[in-house]
This record gives sequence, C-alpha cells and structure tokens, in this order.
Amino acid sequence: GQNIDQPTEMTATEGAIVQINCTYQTSGFNGLFWYQQHAGEAPTFLSYNVLDGLEEKGRFSSFLSRSKGYSYLLLKELQMKDSASYLCAVLDSNYQLIWGAGTKLIIKP
Amino acid sequence: DVKVTQSSRYLVKRTGEKVFLECVQDMDHENMFWYRQDPGLGLRLIYFSYDVKMKEKGDIPEGYSVSREKKERFSLILESASTNQTSMYLCASSPGQGDNSPLHFGNGTRLTVT
Repeated sequence: GQNIDQPTEMTATEGAIVQINCTYQTSGFNGLFWYQQHAGEAPTFLSYNVLDGLEEKGRFSSFLSRSKGYSYLLLKELQMKDSASYLCAVLDSNYQLIWGAGTKLIIKP
Repeated sequence: DVKVTQSSRYLVKRTGEKVFLECVQDMDHENMFWYRQDPGLGLRLIYFSYDVKMKEKGDIPEGYSVSREKKERFSLILESASTNQTSMYLCASSPGQGDNSPLHFGNGTRLTVT
C-alpha cells in the first residue's frame, strides 16, 4: 500500500530552527509537496520537490532524497505565526496525491 | 490569485437529510477535487473531476455523489447524511490533468450531522 509518515506534533521555540520529516512509500513518484494549514483554514502551498536536493524559499527550505523516500521541511527564525499544521503529500505514478496526516507545529515564546 | 469559494463555512444537518456542498473556482481550472479532513488522518479524496460532466471516484466515495455541470462549479452531495459524515470538507482545484501544479483550496465547510 501507499504510505506517508510524518510526526504528529512538534514543539519549538520562537527564533529557533525546526525540521519536519516526511517519509513515503508510494507507487511511483512525480513530486512531493509541502502545504501549511493554520487551524480552521485552507491548506496553502509551500513547496514542491521533484529532484533530489534542497530548495530554499526565504525562511523555509525543503529537501528531497528520492532514493531514501525522504523529505524534510526546514523552518528558520521561527515566528509565532508559523504555528500551524504542515502537510506532506506525494504525487504518485498516476498523478494522484497521497497525503500524510500532517504535523502540528507549536511555537512557544 | 486563484480563488476557490465554498458556499458555507459551517453547516448543521440532521441524519437522513440530503446535503449539498457547493464549490466555485474562478481561474478556469480543469481539475476539481473534494476531500474530507478528519483529526489524525490525511486528506482523503472523495471524488474528483477533470472536465465538465466528468467524475471519478476517489478513495472514499461511498455515501457521496458529485455534479459538474459547469467548468467552474463542482458540487458534493450527501444523499442521506449520517453522523459518520461529520467532518471538514475541502474543495480544491488545479490547472490540468496529469500536471504537477499545486492545489488551490477553498476555506472548507465544517459539516455536523446530528
């Protein structure tokens, strides 16, 4: 079966760095997405990786290793507004999205 | 900016009622999707559509149907609502079939069935 694993919850301190991991086993691979979802709101797109390596976008970076079935989202200089759930999703060989359950990130002052 | 609009943020319905959830997108996207989101579970795909009058079952279609009479509108129908359909429902759209464009989501409809 197809599976995406990410931690249920993480806690970090304002101003620090946090890494949210995502591992996947899917039928084929056409890319991996990270979305941010604040409580009660719609998910919004953060990043897309299809090649191995690190993609940097401001305070957020996303890394992919296809051979290991592994990705992480790195958030730097954490702000209180980064408190949200972070969803990992993989596009399989049929271009269907497989979703992880999401990681709830709690930022403490 | 793409806008995906869901008609209701909150709905409360009784068991057995027929429920309509409406979704409209304004960017001429080909693809539209209905998901439900429950605590501790990933987004689960109910139905999707790649074109007008076209629909495909997702992972959990039982108890639901959809309608896509116009390109911009994708409706989710609960034929006879049950308490296990209490959930957050998210509509999404993306440009074209087989592409890797990110999804654009509506703000969701939180449905409670009593």
